[in-house]
Amino acid sequence: EDKVVQSPLSLVVHEGDTVTLNCSYEVTNFRSLLWYKQEKKAPTFLFMLTSSGIEKKSGRLSSILDKKELFSILNITATQTGDSAIYLCARASGSARQLTFGSGTQLTVLP
Amino acid sequence: GAVVSQHPSWVICKSGTSVKIECRSLDFQATTMFWYRQFPKQSLMLMATSNEGSKATYEQGVEKDKFLINHASLTLSTLTVTSAHPEDSSFYICSALLGGTSVYEQYFGPGTRLTVT
Repeated sequence: EDKVVQSPLSLVVHEGDTVTLNCSYEVTNFRSLLWYKQEKKAPTFLFMLTSSGIEKKSGRLSSILDKKELFSILNITATQTGDSAIYLCARASGSARQLTFGSGTQLTVLP
Repeated sequence: GAVVSQHPSWVICKSGTSVKIECRSLDFQATTMFWYRQFPKQSLMLMATSNEGSKATYEQGVEKDKFLINHASLTLSTLTVTSAHPEDSSFYICSALLGGTSVYEQYFGPGTRLTVT
């Protein structure tokens, strides 16, 4: 089954904290793992990870993929209230060009 | 660049009526668009893959006669919810594949919230 599992399902932190969001996947024919941030509307693209062990970074956000253990993490350092959102990871398969999404992690950053 | 719009952003309709949702790629051509549905506190579930000039491919469990998809041009795909019922109330999101970059990098529209009364 092409399952994508995210943990935790929800997380409440205070501004300035660092968070780590997890995403594991069970799939053959894996192509890439994508992270999205969803606020009130549609998801916005954060990262696409294809190679194992190579960290992608954008400001306070970073992500890395472990293809051997089939998981990825998304780190957010020095969190701000504007980081409050649902963070979705999705797996892309090699042939179908479709994305299978995890259930998301609801992050709430309190002032 | 790579902007996708949806219209309407929200719609309320009566049970039994049909509703059409448009998805447009504003500054690029998209031969492939995807339609997703998202229920409250749940993730995006792929409904169908829309291919320009050909029939859409529906995911298992999605009724193709109820959710009509038309991808008549390289910048427009439409989803029509026919004979809508309250259980069809959901957030519908489309995405478009931007050619020339990674084929797995989809750009999402802002979504359409459908409420069926």
